[in-house]
Amino acid sequence: DGGITQSPKYLFRKEGQNVTLSCEQNLNHDAMYWYRQDPGQGLRLIYYSQIVNDFQKGDIAEGYSVSREKKESFPLTVTSAQKNPTAFYLCASSKTGGNEQFFGPGTRLTVL
Amino acid sequence: AQSVAQPEDQVNVAEGNPLTVKCTYSVSGNPYLFWYVQYPNRGLQFLLKYITGDNLVKGSYGFEAEFNKSQTSFHLKKPSALVSDSALYFCAVRDSGGYNKLIFGAGTRLAVHP
Repeated sequence: DGGITQSPKYLFRKEGQNVTLSCEQNLNHDAMYWYRQDPGQGLRLIYYSQIVNDFQKGDIAEGYSVSREKKESFPLTVTSAQKNPTAFYLCASSKTGGNEQFFGPGTRLTVL
Repeated sequence: AQSVAQPEDQVNVAEGNPLTVKCTYSVSGNPYLFWYVQYPNRGLQFLLKYITGDNLVKGSYGFEAEFNKSQTSFHLKKPSALVSDSALYFCAVRDSGGYNKLIFGAGTRLAVHP
């Protein structure tokens, strides 16, 4: 998990509320990613960013938003439009042109 | 469509025995393949990768994987399993569309029994 931090570790949200998950990396990586993990489904890509001020939708972007104002930071907002937000969220980063991604420890979001 | 399949939801092995976790892939062009391990409530840890070269790739914690182009497989192996190897294992392939996107399999839970 070294080099990438996610906070908080656990997050509880009421229905209808937006919530923002933090992801910070000190690896000097250009690319950052957000994944959602549900039991038995592996990881699904929500958003990714190759450089500052640029990001692309992944496979399941609906109901989520991101920003990339700094190289080190890639926060994810789970909006009230996300119908089933309870999941484990993982942030990752990689070098430009690099291959393996390095993952943070994750945030478990529960909607009450 | 590009995809990764891990045909076994769970693999059970006795400690000291060899283990194999299976992975097959479908991707256009030359595949970039990865194995990750996840312990409960933790992020994924990188184990090994195949980009090019020798078909047998050695990685962390004594794990290795064999790339087989004709069978489009990339099975993870270890000669002697440890109880501490019990975890969730993910195979992934780089999306040939670029941007270093990874496509993950659904994961295989490895249980090593004493």
